[in-house]
Amino acid sequence: GDSVTQMEGPVTLSEEAFLTINCTYTATGYPSLFWYVQYPGEGLQLLLKATKADDKGSNKGFEATYRKETTSFHLEKGSVQVSDSAVYFCALSDLGGADGLTFGKGTHLIIQP
Amino acid sequence: KAGVTQTPRYLIKTRGQQVTLSCSPISGHRSVSWYQQTPGQGLQFLFEYFSETQRNKGNFPGRFSGRQFSNSRSEMNVSTLELGDSALYLCASSPGTPSYEQYFGPGTRLTVT
Repeated sequence: GDSVTQMEGPVTLSEEAFLTINCTYTATGYPSLFWYVQYPGEGLQLLLKATKADDKGSNKGFEATYRKETTSFHLEKGSVQVSDSAVYFCALSDLGGADGLTFGKGTHLIIQP
Repeated sequence: KAGVTQTPRYLIKTRGQQVTLSCSPISGHRSVSWYQQTPGQGLQFLFEYFSETQRNKGNFPGRFSGRQFSNSRSEMNVSTLELGDSALYLCASSPGTPSYEQYFGPGTRLTVT
C-alpha cells in the first residue's frame, strides 16, 4: 500500500538557519502531495501542496517540489524563526483519495533563538 | 469563513462505554473525513463521508462508525471503548473529492480509563 517516510526528529536548529525536512513516498498511482503543520494542542494546518510532477508548492516562506523520479517532496525554508517550531507532516492522497490521506510519522522541529 | 469545529474538545470515558464525537465542516464543504492520531500509530484514516454516504473506510474495527447529516455535519461513534482508543480524533472537511486539500478541526482528545 501507500506509504510516506520522513525523519522524525526532533530536529533542532538556530533561528535564521536553513531548513530541510526530507519526505519520500510510495504510491500506486499519481498522488497529490501535501505538507501539514501541527502546533501544540491544535489540529493540522495545510502548509502547501503539489498535485503533479515538477509542481512547486509554497507558502509562508516554505517550499517543496514534487519530484516523481525520486518520489520525494522535501520541505525547505531559507531562514527559520522561533514561531516555526511545530510538528510537520508529509502526506499523500492517492487513487482519488480512496484511502484518505496517508501521513508520515511527523517531524518535530525546534527552533532556538 | 468559519473553520472546521469539533465538539467536545476533551472527553474522558470508561472502558466498555460508548462515545459520540461531532464535527461541523466549513460551509459549502460536502466531504468529511475522520482520522485517529496516537503517539504510536501516528495519523490513521478512519472513514470519509460525502453527501450523507460513507464513501471510503480505513482499516478499523466495526466498533468505529459514523454518519453524515444533510447539512454535512458528521458524527463518529465508538462503541465498547478500549484503553487503546485513547487518542486525538481529527475531523477534516473538503470541497469535493478527498484528493482536494483537507482542512482540519482542532480535534477531540478522548481518554479511556
